[in-house]
Amino acid sequence: DQQVKQNSPSLSVQEGRISILNCDYTNSMFDYFLWYKKYPAEGPTFLISISSIKDKNEDGRFTVFLNKSAKHLSLHIVPSQPGDSAVYFCAATRPNRDDKIIFGKGTRLHILP
Amino acid sequence: DSGVTQTPKHLITATGQRVTLRCSPRSGDLSVYWYQQSLDQGLQFLIQYYNGEERAKGNILERFSAQQFPDLHSELNLSSLELGDSALYFCASSVEGPAGELFFGEGSRLTVL
Repeated sequence: DQQVKQNSPSLSVQEGRISILNCDYTNSMFDYFLWYKKYPAEGPTFLISISSIKDKNEDGRFTVFLNKSAKHLSLHIVPSQPGDSAVYFCAATRPNRDDKIIFGKGTRLHILP
Repeated sequence: DSGVTQTPKHLITATGQRVTLRCSPRSGDLSVYWYQQSLDQGLQFLIQYYNGEERAKGNILERFSAQQFPDLHSELNLSSLELGDSALYFCASSVEGPAGELFFGEGSRLTVL
């Protein structure tokens, strides 16, 4: 049972435009969400997170939006840069209940020149 | 460099064999997580330890076991290996639980022939 779903395996975006990566979750008990970025031959690295008490969190070019009623979150990257080409993983957890962090399958983002 | 060290980086073995993957967390991190990434799969949560004790368990097979030692390094033991166990195994560490950022190692790539 995939509790965190990233339905787009890949996405191509022109350099300078906005990249939007989507993530859906099924477990309404999740209350903390994270995005990780992974380059080939490296481990994932933390990008940005959001607590369920917020609906938006921004860090430079990266903004995460959370829609709790739809159980949906998205990561916006503006403007997209060549170095953003990577696999992006969405993750969800329940910090006050258990320590599991559940990841989606990832979306491969290609930034086109 | 995340500060998390995993060894070996690559391992090739035969079906039915047993292997041990090792993880040294970042200095000061008490939590260690193990994840499996198979082809076309996301990061599957296996198990988490906090300061030597098992804290959370995911879809870890009975043939797999793990432990965290007093010096906080962790080992993942995989036995009676099958072809389907071929995957990238990641270790991650954090200071506390999942509300904190996870720092991932570069992974151990296991190939079972």
